[in-house]
Amino acid sequence: GAVVSQHPSWVICKSGTSVKIECRSLDFQATTMFWYRQFPKQSLMLMATSNEGSKATYEQGVEKDKFLINHASLTLSTLTVTSAHPEDSSFYICSARPFSAKTFHEQYFGPGTRLTVT
Amino acid sequence: QKEVEQNSGPLSVPEGAIASLNCTYSDRGSQSFFWYRQYSGKSPELIMSIYSNGDKEDGRFTAQLNKASQYVSLLIRDSQPSDSATYLCAVNIVGTGGFKTIFGAGTRLFVKA
Repeated sequence: GAVVSQHPSWVICKSGTSVKIECRSLDFQATTMFWYRQFPKQSLMLMATSNEGSKATYEQGVEKDKFLINHASLTLSTLTVTSAHPEDSSFYICSARPFSAKTFHEQYFGPGTRLTVT
Repeated sequence: QKEVEQNSGPLSVPEGAIASLNCTYSDRGSQSFFWYRQYSGKSPELIMSIYSNGDKEDGRFTAQLNKASQYVSLLIRDSQPSDSATYLCAVNIVGTGGFKTIFGAGTRLFVKA
């Protein structure tokens, strides 16, 4: 159990276009989902916290108008990178906290999405 | 000061040896600590979680926590080549929006056959 999927697993887009990444909890309901970004040889950086039915909470330095997050249901959160530029090329990873989590800090990571902007 | 600090390595150990990975954190209020393993191009995989001072053992892995020193470590006994990966130390911080996980930069471990 506790499987999180992401789609697509990799995507190449042209500069100036928008890209949508989906994060789904497959066998549980997730009250909270987190979006991270990881540049090569660097650690995961939290971008935003997404709660179902409410606006996402963005970390300092993350542009909310550029990285649009929608958490419309208990099993789906989407991250849209708008007007993508080469510097947005990164590995984007989501994680999900189950509604029925036994521990307060339980979360499960998706496999990640590799974004390359040309 | 970074919130979670790790030696980036690489740390190289021979097969069968003990690998020791260290981490310090800055938030004294942190209560939850995690070690993740990440293979190249993959997402992190949880290895250990620890919440209380002292040692916690799970198979070949032992996590050690010292809240007074703001220090957490991971020991890997009988290291195997398949343990070669980047190990991320993570700390949960509770804010107004709930908890969030802060990751260290990771330590690259190489286990030589």
